[in-house]
Amino acid sequence: DADVTQTPRNRITKTGKRIMLECSQTKGHDRMYWYRQDPGLGLRLIYYSFDVKDINKGEISDGYSVSRQAQAKFSLSLESAIPNQTALYFCATSDWDRSNTGELFFGEGSRLTVL
Amino acid sequence: AQKITQTQPGMFVQEKEAVTLDCTYDTSDPSYGLFWYKQPSSGEMIFLIYQGSYDQQNATEGRYSLNFQKARKSANLVISASQLGDSAMYFCAMRDGIISNFGNEKLTFGTGTRLTIIP
Repeated sequence: DADVTQTPRNRITKTGKRIMLECSQTKGHDRMYWYRQDPGLGLRLIYYSFDVKDINKGEISDGYSVSRQAQAKFSLSLESAIPNQTALYFCATSDWDRSNTGELFFGEGSRLTVL
Repeated sequence: AQKITQTQPGMFVQEKEAVTLDCTYDTSDPSYGLFWYKQPSSGEMIFLIYQGSYDQQNATEGRYSLNFQKARKSANLVISASQLGDSAMYFCAMRDGIISNFGNEKLTFGTGTRLTIIP
């Protein structure tokens, strides 16, 4: 089983619908992140969390919200999805206390299509 | 301002040849880290190699090496003896600042280079 698990892996929805992407990890890492990937734009940071009590906006947080329900769970919500939120979404973790690099460990990605 | 620049949207390379993927970065912090990730067509992100700004030697991991030129602010990935399985998207990324400093715990990614290995 993957150390960082994202659900759903694929989702097609309609404009205006509420969507939640979930991420859970078994790595015991305290830092968790949500990125989105668009062709030609690379990966851009949406939100990140250092621990359960800490949530921070990334460069493209508008239209998104997050919840850190536990150390192992970090969910991303689109309250009212719009077509330009069609993208591949990645959850990632890192362990800054024990890592000497800050490497990110990624989930397998969630492909979201908003019609 | 773009922090990480990958100027090659796509590259085609003959199998068994070496390939260099370009990456330049911009930071005013003397302490930073540079990463390369591989994304095959299946979509997952695979960590390849890391270079710290204070590392004296260029990083190497098997067939991967990082050509780190600090004065030029470049961190090119070199893949030796390319294989068909190297066909993928490659991303360069940077962490600003000293690791474990509160607030530095995120990576900024470039736009990627799609590498295609020709048999």
